[in-house]
Amino acid sequence: ELKVEQNPLFLSMQEGKNYTIYCNYSTTSDRLYWYRQDPGKSLESLFVLLSNGAVKQEGRLMASLDTKARLSTLHITAAVHDLSATYFCAVEETSGSRLTFGEGTQLTVNP
Amino acid sequence: ETGVTQSPTHLIKTRGQQVTLRCSSQSGHNTVSWYQQALGQGPQFIFQYYREEENGRGNFPPRFSGLQFPNYSSELNVNALELDDSALYLCASRENWEYEQYFGPGTRLTVT
Repeated sequence: ELKVEQNPLFLSMQEGKNYTIYCNYSTTSDRLYWYRQDPGKSLESLFVLLSNGAVKQEGRLMASLDTKARLSTLHITAAVHDLSATYFCAVEETSGSRLTFGEGTQLTVNP
Repeated sequence: ETGVTQSPTHLIKTRGQQVTLRCSSQSGHNTVSWYQQALGQGPQFIFQYYREEENGRGNFPPRFSGLQFPNYSSELNVNALELDDSALYLCASRENWEYEQYFGPGTRLTVT
């Protein structure tokens, strides 16, 4: 059974600081996704990572994938308050199959 | 091109009742998946439909059932509701197997 673990689960950081969220998974995977969720809302797709070494960046967020280590990272650069949300990684074990989600990282960016 | 829509947005039911949740796929998407997200947790896969056939199921009891219609819209039915069924139910659609799936806004179900 595929397991996906995120850490930290809770992250409180100051504006302007950098930090990284880690996502480890237990079996080989075709794809890894990062989502953002605001309270009471649905999931907003941030990144789709399809191959080993993939790196994608959007604004202050950058995601990478190391399929050999079964590890993805979401790096936050110079955090701003608007980034406060819960971030989920999700792994698709084989193409077209279910997504298995991590527990989520609740990020709070303080002024 | 419209996105994924779900109805209703909120629903309150009593334990033991039955509920039907609806999802309209994004135009051109023939695959739909349903997820349950309890408060403070990540979404859990319930099942997936591809061209009206169930082709994957998570660890949910048979009282969770679904349908996909020829227009690729979908329903999630839950019988004999339990308090633990209170959650946000998300559907996601995709075009065939190999494309990214897109999530709807969700239905918040409260069972009292």
